[in-house]
Amino acid sequence: GNSVTQMEGPVTLSEEAFLTINCTYTATGYPSLFWYVQYPGEGLQLLLKATKADDKGSNKGFEATYRKETTSFHLEKGSVQVSDSAVYFCALSDSTGAGSYQLTFGKGTKLSVIP
Amino acid sequence: NAGVTQTPKFRILKIGQSMTLQCTQDMNHNYMYWYRQDPGMGLKLIYYSVGAGITDKGEVPNGYNVSRSTTEDFPLRLELAAPSQTSVYFCASSYSTGSEQFFGPGTRLTVL
Repeated sequence: GNSVTQMEGPVTLSEEAFLTINCTYTATGYPSLFWYVQYPGEGLQLLLKATKADDKGSNKGFEATYRKETTSFHLEKGSVQVSDSAVYFCALSDSTGAGSYQLTFGKGTKLSVIP
Repeated sequence: NAGVTQTPKFRILKIGQSMTLQCTQDMNHNYMYWYRQDPGMGLKLIYYSVGAGITDKGEVPNGYNVSRSTTEDFPLRLELAAPSQTSVYFCASSYSTGSEQFFGPGTRLTVL
């Protein structure tokens, strides 16, 4: 079956520090990969995505590259801000057959950025 | 355009009670989903629907029921609440299978 493994949190960084959140996956097919972000008290929202190998998704200064050879989709940001404090979820979308796709989520990584 | 809305925001139930979590989307999406989020466990799919009148089980459907009579609404029913159903419940929708899912703000349910 499909699975997503992301680094354990919580992660605490100082403002302007470099961020990496590791994500690796196992999939039976050829999945699309996503990063979702959940701010306190809110639902999840899509941060970025990549649909094929070597694609780079980017948004709000965050980037992640789809690496098929290492089955990874690590999230990076060069300089974090206090407003980036949130829980980050790596997810994959893979076919379940009959034209249907489902999202499989990692457990989430809580990021806290301190001034 | 409100997106995906959920009611209630919070609810406390006693063991054995029943309730319905409401979910409505105004984006004319065919696909809708119910997830539960437990601390440190990510999101698990409970049920999903590919259109009005069509629903199917996800990874953790036991203890829940759904219906989809309209494109807009996808209520989740708990018939006999149990402490194991204490969780945060999220509804989501998408235009097509595999495309971006839009999430509601969640319902925090406690069963005592």
